[in-house]
Amino acid sequence: DTGVSQNPRHKITKRGQNVTFRCDPISEHNRLYWYRQTLGQGPEFLTYFQNEAQLEKSRLLSDRFSAERPKGSFSTLEIQRTEQGDSAMYLCASLAPGLGNEKLFFGSGTQLSVL
Amino acid sequence: GNSVTQMEGPVTLSEEAFLTINCTYTATGYPSLFWYVQYPGEGLQLLLKATKADDKGSNKGFEATYRKETTSFHLEKGSVQVSDSAVYFCALKRGAQKLVFGQGTRLTINP
Repeated sequence: DTGVSQNPRHKITKRGQNVTFRCDPISEHNRLYWYRQTLGQGPEFLTYFQNEAQLEKSRLLSDRFSAERPKGSFSTLEIQRTEQGDSAMYLCASLAPGLGNEKLFFGSGTQLSVL
Repeated sequence: GNSVTQMEGPVTLSEEAFLTINCTYTATGYPSLFWYVQYPGEGLQLLLKATKADDKGSNKGFEATYRKETTSFHLEKGSVQVSDSAVYFCALKRGAQKLVFGQGTRLTINP
């Protein structure tokens, strides 16, 4: 399978714990995006990378959230001191290089439940 | 600001019925518009898109026309199948491929 891969698929944690999610984009895709989706809502943009550079962060991304893409390939999203409000599906998407390319490829997401 | 509003769901239809899912948007300028579909257990997939006014996007029998006058991008299909059951999201592009999504419409097709 050469699609966008996210791990783990599900994560249950207790409030106050730290969690980390991983996203492996499609090979050669230089842009990588993180979105958050809560029940009954559409995904909301969190942040994106072009290669290893983090170019934009949404105001939704509090200082408890940090994302990295150290070698311009896979990315990690860490949430420190989780809160119940962090419970959501965290989606990763990647985009191939090319002017005018607009087709995002999404992973299946990591479902986070904070108890 | 930029926002997308979709018709409330869920929508339940019989096989071969005509489908319309309404989508309206608010944006500065003329953003590209998209419909994404999420089948059970899978990631979102691009269904179709339109990049400028009066463009019609189409794929798998689905169509949507970019209407600048009514700021709308309604999704239509003439004859739905059970396999079309999914959640459909309308979205606009807000620079650098950052998408603003509607809340999604769950579609169920009964045989």
